[in-house]
Amino acid sequence: SQTIHQWPATLVQPVGSPLSLECTVEGTSNPNLYWYRQAAGRGLQLLFYSVGIGQISSEVPQNLSASRPQDRQFILSSKKLLLSDSGFYLCAWSRGGDTQYFGPGTRLTVL
Amino acid sequence: GESVGLHLPTLSVQEGDNSIINCAYSNSASDYFIWYKQESGKGPQFIIDIRSNMDKRQGQRVTVLLNKTVKHLSLQIAATQPGDSAVYFCAENDRRRSSGSARQLTFGSGTQLTVLP
Repeated sequence: SQTIHQWPATLVQPVGSPLSLECTVEGTSNPNLYWYRQAAGRGLQLLFYSVGIGQISSEVPQNLSASRPQDRQFILSSKKLLLSDSGFYLCAWSRGGDTQYFGPGTRLTVL
Repeated sequence: GESVGLHLPTLSVQEGDNSIINCAYSNSASDYFIWYKQESGKGPQFIIDIRSNMDKRQGQRVTVLLNKTVKHLSLQIAATQPGDSAVYFCAENDRRRSSGSARQLTFGSGTQLTVLP
């Protein structure tokens, strides 16, 4: 069966510091990978998606970036965090079809 | 503009009763819909999906109904249990916002379901 991991689970970072969140998927090959952000009490906003190694599509302009160095690894980064970057970050995967399966999420607080 | 929204932000039901969570969508090009359950502090969990060529689909204790005429989607939970308390999201697949096999989902804001003892 497939599993998706995210770490860290929680993170508190000062404004202006860098960020690196990691997502890995097990049990499947060549998945589509997604990064979402969820603000408190809100729906999910798609940030990035990837259909293959090195292929990244951005949905919204921001100070975040994504990379896919390996088939089942997806990384969300920032060089300098803003207060507005606080939120719950979710990674998801899909395999060809429409259904996306989510990871456990990372709670990011920028102070 | 295009949107996926929910009629009610909160819903309280008695344990054992049936729950109905509604969702409206405006994008007539949507051909695939998903319901997710999200417990506090966790990632969304897939519940059930339905394609636009169907009106109804049943799972274990859950049923999804799709009315394309009025662009309305509902999730019915039978014999609601305390463990069903969570936020429920509907999501639509907009074919125009897809790239190859990567489907881009648009999510509603969610309904908080509370099961009362």
